[in-house]
Amino acid sequence: EDQVTQSPEALRLQEGESSSLNCSYTVSGLRGLFWYRQDPGKGPEFLFTLYSAGEEKEKERLKATLTKKESFLHITAPKPEDSATYLCAVPMDTGRRALTFGSGTRLQVQP
Amino acid sequence: DVKVTQSSRYLVKRTGEKVFLECVQDMDHENMFWYRQDPGLGLRLIYFSYDVKMKEKGDIPEGYSVSREKKERFSLILESASTNQTSMYLCASSLRSYNEQFFGPGTRLTVL
Repeated sequence: EDQVTQSPEALRLQEGESSSLNCSYTVSGLRGLFWYRQDPGKGPEFLFTLYSAGEEKEKERLKATLTKKESFLHITAPKPEDSATYLCAVPMDTGRRALTFGSGTRLQVQP
Repeated sequence: DVKVTQSSRYLVKRTGEKVFLECVQDMDHENMFWYRQDPGLGLRLIYFSYDVKMKEKGDIPEGYSVSREKKERFSLILESASTNQTSMYLCASSLRSYNEQFFGPGTRLTVL
């Protein structure tokens, strides 16, 4: 069964303490992997799209990387405003045009 | 910037009422989607549409229907609202299949 798994479920960091979030997937032919940020009570905000192994994208303190079976979202020197839930999503092998989302990593950055 | 708007941020309805949630996107996107999001269950796809008047069922279509009469507008209909449909409803759109989706702000629906 196609799956998208994110870890950890929750992560608490001190301001300035860098870390990484993981998204693993089991689709055989990747048509893109998408990262989103979601603040409480709001819709997800698009961050990055990655299409091939080895690809990297950066935005401020965030860098997303992709291998054949997983993606990492690296957060360098995070600030309290980076606190949010981070979601990844992939299109499944079934050919359905929609995305399947992971359950997310809830990140809290303490000052 | 892509803008996806939803008709209400908060909605309270009674059991058995017919409920309409509307979504409008302003970027001429082909695809539109309706999800619901519940604690511990993540984002679940209800329905999506890849063209005007076209629709496909997602993972949890029971109790819902949709309408897409114009390219920019996608409506979610709860034919007879039930308490288990209390949730956050999110609309999204994408330019083409397998592109990134852009989400609206969400509608928090409470069914009493």
